Amino acid sequence: QKEVEQNSGPLSVPEGAIASLNCTYSDRGSQSFFWYRQYSGKSPELIMFIYSNGDKEDGRFTAQLNKASQYVSLLIRDSQPSDSATYLCAVGTGGGNKLTFGTGTQLKVEL
Amino acid sequence: GAVVSQHPSWVICKSGTSVKIECRSLDFQATTMFWYRQFPKQSLMLMATSNEGSKATYEQGVEKDKFLINHASLTLSTLTVTSAHPEDSSFYICSAPGTRQDTQYFGPGTRLTVL
Repeated sequence: QKEVEQNSGPLSVPEGAIASLNCTYSDRGSQSFFWYRQYSGKSPELIMFIYSNGDKEDGRFTAQLNKASQYVSLLIRDSQPSDSATYLCAVGTGGGNKLTFGTGTQLKVEL
Repeated sequence: GAVVSQHPSWVICKSGTSVKIECRSLDFQATTMFWYRQFPKQSLMLMATSNEGSKATYEQGVEKDKFLINHASLTLSTLTVTSAHPEDSSFYICSAPGTRQDTQYFGPGTRLTVL
């Protein structure tokens, strides 16, 4: 069974700090990796996707992928209170768009 | 990103009744759409893959006779929860694939409450 694991949190960081969110996956055949943000009562919003090993930066967000360790992370620089949400890691096999989601990490950015 | 809408955004119904939820792709065509269910403080669970012009593909453990999916056009998929019971109360979310590999764009979700 394909699994995606995340620490449920909550992860609390002060405003302006770097938030680091981690995710591991079990299927070595996974080819695509996603981070979604979900506010309470809302549907997920795509933040970033990454397909290759290494880092990918987009504004304050950096996704990091290490396929050998089956590990993907999301760094949020200069965290803001509006970043407080649940962050879902999702993994795809590249064969038809089906995604497997982790249970999410709740992030709280405190003033 | 692509825009996906859902209707209604919330619905309350009596036990034993059926409820239809619509999912539309507003500015693009989608031959495939996905239906998820999310219980409080849990992750998204894929229920089924909706295929335009053919039968939906259901995930293991999802009753296809209870959760009827119709994908009649390239912009509309519907999920009908038949004979709903309180345990069907959940947040139902649809999504459509984006242009990049495996990307999905989600609709705003439908909150179903069965009394």
